[in-house]
Amino acid sequence: GAGVSQSPSNKVTEKGKDVELRCDPISGHTALYWYRQSLGQGLEFLIYFQGNSAPDKSGLPSDRFSAERTGGSVSTLTIQRTQQEDSAVYLCASSFGDRKNIQYFGAGTRLSVL
Amino acid sequence: QKEVEQDPGPLSVPEGAIVSLNCTYSNSAFQYFMWYRQYSRKGPELLMYTYSSGNKEDGRFTAQVDKSSKYISLFIRDSQPSDSATYLCAMSAGGGYQKVTFGTGTKLQVIP
Repeated sequence: GAGVSQSPSNKVTEKGKDVELRCDPISGHTALYWYRQSLGQGLEFLIYFQGNSAPDKSGLPSDRFSAERTGGSVSTLTIQRTQQEDSAVYLCASSFGDRKNIQYFGAGTRLSVL
Repeated sequence: QKEVEQDPGPLSVPEGAIVSLNCTYSNSAFQYFMWYRQYSRKGPELLMYTYSSGNKEDGRFTAQVDKSSKYISLFIRDSQPSDSATYLCAMSAGGGYQKVTFGTGTKLQVIP
């Protein structure tokens, strides 16, 4: 596809369940980022991938959050034992080459934890 | 105190008005300044990208950076209802990998 693709677009889950969110970046973009957007909180950085490695995972809020990237392309963000405070929009972005601050975003996954 | 401060609005203006959106920041290392537009239930899209101080114009949009005051602005001329969205400022210290810090966004409504 032409842009960053995220799935599912919406996810409703029960507290304590695990969820997996998927991001398919723009073809050829080597860098990939996950952010969390909560009402009134702006975009909160979670993790940065360069290729398949994650040189910066400093934004992951707890060990319930993990992410991986395979084949230098698709990434999954996993949240284990979800809590109500995990409810937010999870956005993925990708960038090309050295201009890592020019990021292209997907539409996000809206996660609701009941 | 947040590194980047942005008034959340909402800001309501009549069609055709000039809109001014602003952010202040505290980190003097920031050199790259971006403005993103985010429509409801969509991801942010990059509008303007500037380096260091000065002005940059693109159509109806002008981005202004004043590093001495740690203040950036986005001006929208001849605003249209289609400009109704949330505008996020963003900034980073470098063009390579340096974490991008986003403002919380200002919600703009342009009334026909």
